[in-house]
Amino acid sequence: GAVVSQHPSRVICKSGTSVKIECRSLDFQATTMFWYRQFPKKSLMLMATSNEGSKATYEQGVEKDKFLINHASLTLSTLTVTSAHPEDSSFYICSARGAGRETQYFGPGTRLLVL
Amino acid sequence: AQSVSQHNHHVILSEAASLELGCNYSYGGTVNLFWYVQYPGQHLQLLLKYFSGDPLVKGIKGFEAEFIKSKFSFNLRKPSVQWSDTAEYFCAVNRAKTSYDKVIFGPGTSLSVIP
Repeated sequence: GAVVSQHPSRVICKSGTSVKIECRSLDFQATTMFWYRQFPKKSLMLMATSNEGSKATYEQGVEKDKFLINHASLTLSTLTVTSAHPEDSSFYICSARGAGRETQYFGPGTRLLVL
Repeated sequence: AQSVSQHNHHVILSEAASLELGCNYSYGGTVNLFWYVQYPGQHLQLLLKYFSGDPLVKGIKGFEAEFIKSKFSFNLRKPSVQWSDTAEYFCAVNRAKTSYDKVIFGPGTSLSVIP
């Protein structure tokens, strides 16, 4: 149990375009989802926390207008990188946690390359 | 603010050697503690977690960790490593019993096991 999927697994886009990444909890209801960014050989940097049905809480230094997060249902959260630039190239990972649970389950990640 | 430090950036061991990876956190309240592993090309997996109770926690694949509250530490151990344990290991912490609280990750320790 506790499977989290992400789609797409890899995406290449041109600078200036927007990219949407989906995060789904497949076998449980995720009241809270987290979005992380991982640079090569680095740890995970939390970008934002989203609770179902409410606005995401962004970490300091993360532009909320650039990284749009939507958590419209208990099984789906989306991260949209708007007007992507090469410096946005990274590995984006989501995680999900069920109501009353203290363990997060991670998705496999999405590798974004902006040309 | 919470923070997590890991003692070693990169550890190289021969098969059958014993492993201990250090982790310290800074937070004065009650915490949950986690160790995650990321095998090459794979997503994060939970190795073990501590919420309360016995401070010696056993996880998957023969790993264990000991929570020492007085030292703010949660070191990961394995008596005999295998080549397949080569991976990136992340210690993580969040505040216990707090709804929607984010998990903070340490910088990670890269373990290379030589056959």
